[in-house]
Amino acid sequence: TQLLEQSPQFLSIQEGENLTVYCNSSSVFSSLQWYRQEPGEGPVLLVTVVTGGEVKKLKRLTFQFGDARKDSSLHITAAQPGDTGLYLCAGGSENAGNNRKLIWGLGTSLAVNP
Amino acid sequence: GAVVSQHPSWVICKSGTSVKIECRSLDFQATTMFWYRQFPKQSLMLMATSNEGSKATYEQGVEKDKFLINHASLTLSTLTVTSAHPEDSSFYICSARRGGEQYFGPGTRLTVT
Repeated sequence: TQLLEQSPQFLSIQEGENLTVYCNSSSVFSSLQWYRQEPGEGPVLLVTVVTGGEVKKLKRLTFQFGDARKDSSLHITAAQPGDTGLYLCAGGSENAGNNRKLIWGLGTSLAVNP
Repeated sequence: GAVVSQHPSWVICKSGTSVKIECRSLDFQATTMFWYRQFPKQSLMLMATSNEGSKATYEQGVEKDKFLINHASLTLSTLTVTSAHPEDSSFYICSARRGGEQYFGPGTRLTVT
């Protein structure tokens, strides 16, 4: 069974601080996606990484896929209250026979205080 | 592009009644859609995978006779919660697959009284 361990589960920081969220697994993924979800809404896709060692930047957010495609990180620089939300990582299985469903981390609930 | 809608956004029903939730991909066709359930501040729990023109694939522990899924077209999947009970109250979210990515609807808040 493929699992994605996401940490930390909860994070409360002050505006302007930096933070990193991690997703780790013992399994190899064909892709790794990061989503952000606000209360009462569906998750919104932030980025997809597919190549080992890949780094993608989205304004103050930096996403990295591990060389072995087993782990990923999300780093936020100078966090702002608007970054508050639930961050979810999801791994795409290398097994093409399972409707290509995603394996989900448990989520990181981030609160950025003004 | 890749917009997914869900209807209704919230619904309150009495115990024992059935509720249908619609999931539509508005600007792309989706052979595969997914139905999730989510509890407050928790991650998504996959309930079933919906494939256009064929039977849905349910995850272990999800009752297929209670959560009926129909995917009759490439842009519409429906989830019907039959004989709903208070423990079925939850946030239900659908997603539609395009390529290797999933795009999510805004969710439906179901409250069973």
